[in-house]
Amino acid sequence: AQTVTQSQPEMSVQEAETVTLSCTYDTSESDYYLFWYKQPPSRQMILVIRQEAYKQQNATENRFSVNFQKAAKSFSLKISDSQLGDAAMYFCAYGGGATNKLIFGTGTLLAVQP
Amino acid sequence: DTGVSQDPRHKITKRGQNVTFRCDPISEHNRLYWYRQTLGQGPEFLTYFQNEAQLEKSRLLSDRFSAERPKGSFSTLEIQRTEQGDSAMYLCASRGGTHSGNTIYFGEGSWLTVV
Repeated sequence: AQTVTQSQPEMSVQEAETVTLSCTYDTSESDYYLFWYKQPPSRQMILVIRQEAYKQQNATENRFSVNFQKAAKSFSLKISDSQLGDAAMYFCAYGGGATNKLIFGTGTLLAVQP
Repeated sequence: DTGVSQDPRHKITKRGQNVTFRCDPISEHNRLYWYRQTLGQGPEFLTYFQNEAQLEKSRLLSDRFSAERPKGSFSTLEIQRTEQGDSAMYLCASRGGTHSGNTIYFGEGSWLTVV
Protein backbone atom coordinates (compact mmCIF):
# COMPACT_ATOMS: atom_id res chain seq x y z
CA ALA A 1 0.00 0.00 0.00
CA GLN A 2 1.11 3.52 -0.68
CA THR A 3 2.03 5.81 2.19
CA VAL A 4 2.88 9.49 2.47
CA THR A 5 4.94 10.90 5.32
CA GLN A 6 5.33 14.51 6.34
CA SER A 7 7.81 14.66 9.19
CA GLN A 8 7.40 18.35 10.03
CA PRO A 9 4.17 18.97 11.98
CA GLU A 10 4.87 22.72 12.12
CA MET A 11 7.17 25.16 10.36
CA SER A 12 7.71 28.88 10.65
CA VAL A 13 9.17 31.38 8.18
CA GLN A 14 9.75 35.10 8.11
CA GLU A 15 7.88 37.08 5.52
CA ALA A 16 9.87 37.34 2.26
CA GLU A 17 12.10 34.41 3.24
CA THR A 18 12.20 30.91 1.74
CA VAL A 19 10.94 27.75 3.39
CA THR A 20 11.04 24.09 2.37
CA LEU A 21 8.43 21.54 3.43
CA SER A 22 9.41 17.88 3.32
CA CYS A 23 7.48 14.87 2.06
CA THR A 24 8.43 11.27 1.45
CA TYR A 25 6.29 8.53 0.02
CA ASP A 26 6.36 4.85 -0.59
CA THR A 27 4.97 3.03 -3.61
CA SER A 28 5.66 0.16 -5.93
CA GLU A 29 3.85 1.80 -8.82
CA SER A 30 5.78 3.38 -11.66
CA ASP A 31 3.09 5.74 -12.92
CA TYR A 32 1.73 8.24 -10.42
CA TYR A 33 1.28 11.90 -9.59
CA LEU A 34 2.31 13.92 -6.57
CA PHE A 35 0.56 17.01 -5.29
CA TRP A 36 0.85 19.71 -2.69
CA TYR A 37 -2.43 21.10 -1.41
CA LYS A 38 -2.90 24.11 0.84
CA GLN A 39 -5.69 24.20 3.42
CA PRO A 40 -6.23 27.61 5.02
CA PRO A 41 -8.50 28.09 8.05
CA SER A 42 -11.50 28.11 5.70
CA ARG A 43 -10.70 24.39 5.20
CA GLN A 44 -10.90 24.61 1.39
CA MET A 45 -8.29 22.33 -0.16
CA ILE A 46 -6.43 24.36 -2.78
CA LEU A 47 -4.05 22.80 -5.26
CA VAL A 48 -0.61 24.40 -5.04
CA ILE A 49 1.46 22.34 -7.44
CA ARG A 50 1.46 19.01 -9.27
CA GLN A 51 4.26 16.71 -10.45
CA GLU A 52 3.99 13.80 -12.85
CA ALA A 53 6.33 10.98 -11.85
CA TYR A 54 7.45 10.36 -15.42
CA LYS A 55 8.75 13.92 -15.74
CA GLN A 56 12.29 14.53 -14.59
CA GLN A 57 11.89 18.30 -14.59
CA ASN A 58 10.73 19.74 -11.30
CA ALA A 59 7.40 21.55 -11.41
CA THR A 60 7.25 25.28 -10.75
CA GLU A 61 4.28 27.58 -10.16
CA ASN A 62 5.30 31.17 -9.52
CA ARG A 63 6.80 31.26 -5.99
CA PHE A 64 6.24 27.53 -5.47
CA SER A 65 8.58 24.84 -6.71
CA VAL A 66 9.25 21.22 -5.91
CA ASN A 67 12.32 19.07 -5.56
CA PHE A 68 11.24 15.68 -6.87
CA GLN A 69 13.72 12.87 -6.21
CA LYS A 70 12.09 9.77 -7.64
CA ALA A 71 14.71 7.26 -6.57
CA ALA A 72 14.65 8.58 -3.03
CA LYS A 73 10.83 8.90 -3.11
CA SER A 74 11.07 12.46 -1.91
CA PHE A 75 8.89 15.40 -2.91
CA SER A 76 9.63 18.65 -1.10
CA LEU A 77 7.92 21.99 -1.60
CA LYS A 78 9.87 25.24 -1.66
CA ILE A 79 8.04 28.50 -1.07
CA SER A 80 10.05 31.56 -2.05
CA ASP A 81 9.37 35.13 -0.96
CA SER A 82 6.88 33.91 1.64
CA GLN A 83 3.76 36.01 2.12
CA LEU A 84 1.36 36.26 5.04
CA GLY A 85 -1.29 34.61 2.88
CA ASP A 86 0.85 31.50 2.60
CA ALA A 87 0.09 30.64 6.21
CA ALA A 88 -1.93 27.43 6.15
CA MET A 89 -1.78 23.67 6.54
CA TYR A 90 0.07 22.07 3.65
CA PHE A 91 -0.64 18.50 2.62
CA CYS A 92 1.47 16.31 0.39
CA ALA A 93 -0.59 13.79 -1.57
CA TYR A 94 0.07 10.78 -3.78
CA GLY A 95 -2.25 9.88 -6.63
CA GLY A 96 -2.02 6.66 -8.55
CA GLY A 97 -3.65 3.38 -9.44
CA ALA A 98 -6.76 2.84 -11.48
CA THR A 99 -8.82 5.38 -9.56
CA ASN A 100 -6.06 7.91 -8.94
CA LYS A 101 -7.43 8.40 -5.45
CA LEU A 102 -5.28 10.64 -3.31
CA ILE A 103 -3.39 9.45 -0.26
CA PHE A 104 -2.49 12.32 2.03
CA GLY A 105 0.22 12.93 4.57
CA THR A 106 -0.59 14.31 8.00
CA GLY A 107 0.19 17.86 7.00
CA THR A 108 2.59 20.64 7.94
CA LEU A 109 1.24 23.77 9.58
CA LEU A 110 3.12 26.77 8.16
CA ALA A 111 3.21 30.03 10.07
CA VAL A 112 4.48 33.19 8.38
CA GLN A 113 5.92 35.81 10.71
CA PRO A 114 5.68 39.47 9.67
CA ASP B 1 -18.80 29.66 -9.91
CA THR B 2 -18.16 26.28 -11.55
CA GLY B 3 -16.20 24.61 -8.77
CA VAL B 4 -17.22 21.63 -6.66
CA SER B 5 -20.26 22.51 -4.55
CA GLN B 6 -21.27 20.82 -1.31
CA ASP B 7 -24.42 21.15 0.76
CA PRO B 8 -25.00 21.64 3.62
CA ARG B 9 -21.79 23.26 4.75
CA HIS B 10 -22.52 22.54 8.39
CA LYS B 11 -24.77 20.00 10.06
CA ILE B 12 -25.38 19.35 13.73
CA THR B 13 -27.33 16.22 14.47
CA LYS B 14 -28.23 14.07 17.43
CA ARG B 15 -26.69 10.66 17.78
CA GLY B 16 -28.78 8.04 16.05
CA GLN B 17 -30.19 10.37 13.41
CA ASN B 18 -29.55 10.03 9.68
CA VAL B 19 -27.81 12.73 7.66
CA THR B 20 -27.28 13.22 3.94
CA PHE B 21 -24.71 15.35 2.17
CA ARG B 22 -24.87 16.41 -1.44
CA CYS B 23 -22.03 17.10 -3.84
CA ASP B 24 -22.21 18.74 -7.25
CA PRO B 25 -18.93 18.20 -9.10
CA ILE B 26 -17.41 20.37 -11.78
CA SER B 27 -19.77 19.90 -14.72
CA GLU B 28 -17.49 18.10 -17.15
CA HIS B 29 -15.90 15.86 -14.52
CA ASN B 30 -17.02 12.23 -14.62
CA ARG B 31 -14.94 11.09 -11.65
CA LEU B 32 -16.05 11.85 -8.12
CA TYR B 33 -14.53 11.12 -4.72
CA TRP B 34 -15.63 11.38 -1.11
CA TYR B 35 -13.11 11.90 1.68
CA ARG B 36 -13.36 12.34 5.44
CA GLN B 37 -11.12 14.63 7.44
CA THR B 38 -10.86 14.86 11.20
CA LEU B 39 -9.06 17.66 13.04
CA GLY B 40 -5.30 17.46 12.75
CA GLN B 41 -5.36 14.77 10.08
CA GLY B 42 -5.17 14.63 6.33
CA PRO B 43 -8.24 13.64 4.33
CA GLU B 44 -8.95 9.92 4.15
CA PHE B 45 -10.46 8.31 1.06
CA LEU B 46 -13.98 6.93 1.42
CA THR B 47 -15.29 6.10 -2.04
CA TYR B 48 -14.91 6.70 -5.77
CA PHE B 49 -17.36 6.99 -8.65
CA GLN B 50 -16.74 6.96 -12.36
CA ASN B 51 -19.92 8.25 -13.93
CA GLU B 52 -22.70 6.48 -11.99
CA ALA B 53 -20.62 3.42 -11.07
CA GLN B 54 -19.17 3.16 -7.57
CA LEU B 55 -15.86 1.50 -8.35
CA GLU B 56 -14.05 1.61 -5.02
CA LYS B 57 -15.02 1.79 -1.36
CA SER B 58 -12.66 2.14 1.56
CA ARG B 59 -12.89 -0.11 4.58
CA LEU B 60 -13.63 3.13 6.45
CA LEU B 61 -17.03 3.12 4.79
CA SER B 62 -19.01 1.05 7.27
CA ASP B 63 -22.46 -0.38 6.57
CA ARG B 64 -23.99 2.78 7.98
CA PHE B 65 -22.54 4.79 5.12
CA SER B 66 -23.95 4.75 1.61
CA ALA B 67 -23.04 6.86 -1.38
CA GLU B 68 -24.83 7.23 -4.67
CA ARG B 69 -24.40 9.01 -7.95
CA PRO B 70 -27.59 8.08 -9.75
CA LYS B 71 -27.19 9.95 -13.03
CA GLY B 72 -23.45 10.36 -13.06
CA SER B 73 -23.72 14.00 -12.05
CA PHE B 74 -24.35 14.95 -8.41
CA SER B 75 -23.66 12.53 -5.58
CA THR B 76 -25.06 11.96 -2.11
CA LEU B 77 -23.41 10.53 0.98
CA GLU B 78 -25.80 9.27 3.64
CA ILE B 79 -24.83 8.30 7.16
CA GLN B 80 -27.42 6.27 9.05
CA ARG B 81 -27.66 6.03 12.84
CA THR B 82 -24.93 8.59 13.34
CA GLU B 83 -22.35 8.12 16.09
CA GLN B 84 -20.14 10.70 17.77
CA GLY B 85 -17.16 9.21 15.96
CA ASP B 86 -18.73 10.29 12.67
CA SER B 87 -18.06 13.94 13.54
CA ALA B 88 -15.71 15.17 10.83
CA MET B 89 -15.55 17.18 7.66
CA TYR B 90 -16.75 15.31 4.60
CA LEU B 91 -15.02 16.45 1.45
CA CYS B 92 -16.16 15.86 -2.09
CA ALA B 93 -13.77 16.11 -5.01
CA SER B 94 -13.96 15.64 -8.74
CA ARG B 95 -11.65 15.00 -11.64
CA GLY B 96 -11.85 15.06 -15.40
CA GLY B 97 -10.23 12.63 -17.78
CA THR B 98 -6.52 12.03 -18.20
CA HIS B 99 -6.36 14.98 -20.56
CA SER B 100 -6.95 17.22 -17.54
CA GLY B 101 -3.78 15.95 -15.90
CA ASN B 102 -5.41 13.86 -13.20
CA THR B 103 -5.82 16.84 -10.93
CA ILE B 104 -8.50 16.43 -8.28
CA TYR B 105 -10.46 19.53 -7.25
CA PHE B 106 -12.10 19.74 -3.85
CA GLY B 107 -15.27 21.32 -2.57
CA GLU B 108 -15.39 23.37 0.60
CA GLY B 109 -16.52 20.41 2.66
CA SER B 110 -19.50 19.59 4.85
CA TRP B 111 -18.90 19.75 8.59
CA LEU B 112 -20.77 17.17 10.64
CA THR B 113 -21.10 17.42 14.39
CA VAL B 114 -22.87 14.57 16.17
CA VAL B 115 -24.05 15.46 19.69
